[in-house]
Amino acid sequence: SQTIHQWPATLVQPVGSPLSLECTVEGTSNPNLYWYRQAAGRGLQLLFYSVGIGQISSEVPQNLSASRPQDRQFILSSKKLLLSDSGFYLCAWEQDRGAYEQYFGPGTRLTVT
Amino acid sequence: KNEVEQSPQNLTAQEGEFITINCSYSVGISALHWLQQHPGGGIVSLFMLSSGKKKHGRLIATINIQEKHSSLHITASHPRDSAVYICAVRGSGATNKLIFGTGTLLAVQP
Repeated sequence: SQTIHQWPATLVQPVGSPLSLECTVEGTSNPNLYWYRQAAGRGLQLLFYSVGIGQISSEVPQNLSASRPQDRQFILSSKKLLLSDSGFYLCAWEQDRGAYEQYFGPGTRLTVT
Repeated sequence: KNEVEQSPQNLTAQEGEFITINCSYSVGISALHWLQQHPGGGIVSLFMLSSGKKKHGRLIATINIQEKHSSLHITASHPRDSAVYICAVRGSGATNKLIFGTGTLLAVQP
């Protein structure tokens, strides 16, 4: 069966510090991978998606970046965090686009102070 | 105006009540998803549908493609159903990404 992991579960970082959130998927190959952010009281916002190693599409211009160094690994990064980066970050995977469900990781709650 | 609108935003019910959450969308879609997010934050997929009706236990989801509207029903509600219920649509365009509603916060009181 497939599983998706995210870490860390919670993170408190000062403004201006770097960020690295990791997501890994087990039990599947060549998944489509997604990073979402959920700000307080708002819906899920798609940040990045990837259809393969090294292929990243950005949905929202911001100070975040994403990388996919391996087939089942997706990393969200920032060089300098802003207060507005606080939120709940979710990674998700799907086997193919269009006809399949997305499966979400447990999420990382980021607080920028 | 958001492409996916949910109503109500907040809903409080007594245990045993029949609950309906509505979702309207304004874009062409290939599928609609209902998701459940528990207080800890984890999200679980409840349904994915593109036509008609699906049932799983006490949960029923319906969709009317012509009216661009979907409903999620919970029969015999229970406090453990308390969660945020999120509607999301898969666009039928080239990007085919999920577009999310802002969610409905449901509290079922014993």
